[in-house]
Amino acid sequence: ILNVEQSPQSLHVQEGDSTNFTCSFPSSNFYALHWYRWETAKSPEALFVMTLNGDEKKKGRISATLNTKEGYSYLYIKGSQPEDSATYLCAFRYNQGGKLIFGQGTELSVKP
Amino acid sequence: GAGVSQSPRYKVAKRGQDVALRCDPISGHVSLFWYQQALGQGPEFLTYFQNEAQLDKSGLPSDRFFAERPEGSVSTLKIQRTQQEDSAVYLCASSLRTGGDTEAFFGQGTRLTVV
Repeated sequence: ILNVEQSPQSLHVQEGDSTNFTCSFPSSNFYALHWYRWETAKSPEALFVMTLNGDEKKKGRISATLNTKEGYSYLYIKGSQPEDSATYLCAFRYNQGGKLIFGQGTELSVKP
Repeated sequence: GAGVSQSPRYKVAKRGQDVALRCDPISGHVSLFWYQQALGQGPEFLTYFQNEAQLDKSGLPSDRFFAERPEGSVSTLKIQRTQQEDSAVYLCASSLRTGGDTEAFFGQGTRLTVV
């Protein structure tokens, strides 16, 4: 059974705080790791697609790292803003054309 | 619009009723996926199409669930004789090509409530 775990399940921070979440996935048969942001009443929005061990990607205040040998990825948000409030999902892909296996998500709430 | 479109956005069905959920992918996208998200869980894979071919339906929970994409664009997910445990958000995603590094674009989902 392929299992993707995310922690923490929820997080409440103050505006300006920096935060990070973890995604753990199987270290064998790795093909790609996707991060999504899902705001209420909107579509999940792709943040990063990561394929190489040691990859680091950045989009504005958000960045992610990938360790395929030990099976984890970190997502960092620097200087959180209320508009960052959303559920952050990671998803693991183990072959070229197949499905994404999602974690249960980390729900982030940023208070002004 | 240019994104993935799903309809209806909300559906309330009486137990035992049949429902049909529609997905309009981004034009030209080869791959199409359906996912089911129960409350408090991450999305779970249901089925996958490459053009009109259904390549993987291993996630469909029972033979009451059926999906089709007859012309390789619009897809319909049909649930027969709905049960309360079918209540969930049903998400559709499309991608331009196959490949693990290809971004998948999601619709807003259809929230199904079975009463």
